[in-house]
Amino acid sequence: GESVGLHLPTLSVQEGDNSIINCAYSNSASDYFIWYKQESGKGPQFIIDIRSNMDKRQGQRVTVLLNKTVKHLSLQIAATQPGDSAVYFCAESPTGANNLFFGTGTRLTVIP
Amino acid sequence: NAGVTQTPKFRILKIGQSMTLQCTQDMNHNYMYWYRQDPGMGLKLIYYSVGAGITDKGEVPNGYNVSRSTTEDFPLRLELAAPSQTSVYFCASSYGQGNEKLFFGSGTQLSVL
Repeated sequence: GESVGLHLPTLSVQEGDNSIINCAYSNSASDYFIWYKQESGKGPQFIIDIRSNMDKRQGQRVTVLLNKTVKHLSLQIAATQPGDSAVYFCAESPTGANNLFFGTGTRLTVIP
Repeated sequence: NAGVTQTPKFRILKIGQSMTLQCTQDMNHNYMYWYRQDPGMGLKLIYYSVGAGITDKGEVPNGYNVSRSTTEDFPLRLELAAPSQTSVYFCASSYGQGNEKLFFGSGTQLSVL
């Protein structure tokens, strides 16, 4: 099976600071990566994705960085807000796969 | 569009009972999935479907069955509920292959006692 893991299970940041959530993956054949946000009692919500032919992709207040050399993925959230408090999952998909493999998640808590 | 709709939101079953978790999507997506999420864990794929009439096993299919008679609906069947099936179940869909953005429903919390 796949191994998608996170370096830290929890992360607390002050409101207004930047957050960085890290993710390691083990399958070098993975060519698609995606970050989801899951608020309590809700389904995962898409944040941003990136394909293996890119190193960086930016969205609104979020940036995903991909380092294929060390099989590492990170999600950066700028000016973290209380509404960003949630569990964040990374997921990967190997080439030709029909599904995503999810990590265990990181709980982000924003301190007002 | 309502997106992906799951019913029921909560259910308690006794060991050995059966039930069907309903999932429907109105985005005309070809691919649909069922995941389970155990407390403090990531999502594990149970079954998926690449189109009407086609289903395939995921990582943890034992104890479950699915069908895909229409593009819109993808019900998940538990025949003989066991405590190990206590979990939160999420249905998802995507337009193209599974290596694209998935849209998730709000989940069904199932307890087997």
